Amino acid sequence: QVQLVQSGAEVKKPGASVKVSCRASGDTFSDYYIHWVRQAPGQGLEWMGWINPKSGDTNYAQNFQGRVTMIRETSISTVYMEMSRLRSDDTAVYYCTRVALLRFADYGMDVWGQGTTVIVSS
Amino acid sequence: SYVLTQPPSVSVAPGKTARITCGGNNVGAKSVHWYQQKPGQAPVLVLYYDDHRPSGIPERFSGSNSGNTATLTISRVEAGDEAHYYCQVWDSSSDHWVFGGGTKLTVL
Repeated sequence: QVQLVQSGAEVKKPGASVKVSCRASGDTFSDYYIHWVRQAPGQGLEWMGWINPKSGDTNYAQNFQGRVTMIRETSISTVYMEMSRLRSDDTAVYYCTRVALLRFADYGMDVWGQGTTVIVSS
Repeated sequence: SYVLTQPPSVSVAPGKTARITCGGNNVGAKSVHWYQQKPGQAPVLVLYYDDHRPSGIPERFSGSNSGNTATLTISRVEAGDEAHYYCQVWDSSSDHWVFGGGTKLTVL
């Protein structure tokens, strides 16, 4: 069974950093981009960026450039999303999800992690 | 940047047909994907590439995409379809992915 399993909830102070992990199982890790999407309380879905686990290439949304870093550890089929200089409005549920490398525009995000709650509060 | 516009809410009686629109500049030239999200749960892909259903998604879910509007149609709506629905595309000009603002479907 294909799964993306994320790390547990985090509580951080403003200005700190957070690192969330996403471990893939049940399928070929390197055949899919791993994307990160966040959802603030009561709000919609916001795309943050992706990492290609095969090459390590990344692409970040404008809103997160300079503050988000995505890396992969292929030996354990895990991707990490690190966000620095946290603010209170970064409080959200962070999801990892995947998109096929081939014809990526046509297939959508078919598997999602369970979500990781990040609370930023002083 | 590319913008997708959805109505904030749609209401429908059980057994009727719900239509949720997703507007964008020439969105008909893009592949549109739709996600269902119930409270406290991760989103679920219900349609990809405009009108293709992933395994396990009922035939009641269908889609179309032409011109400046994509549409998710849910036939014979059930109480369990009550959820937020989001459309999404990949914007080739920015190489970024975009979500619509989401539509809350209420089953009366």
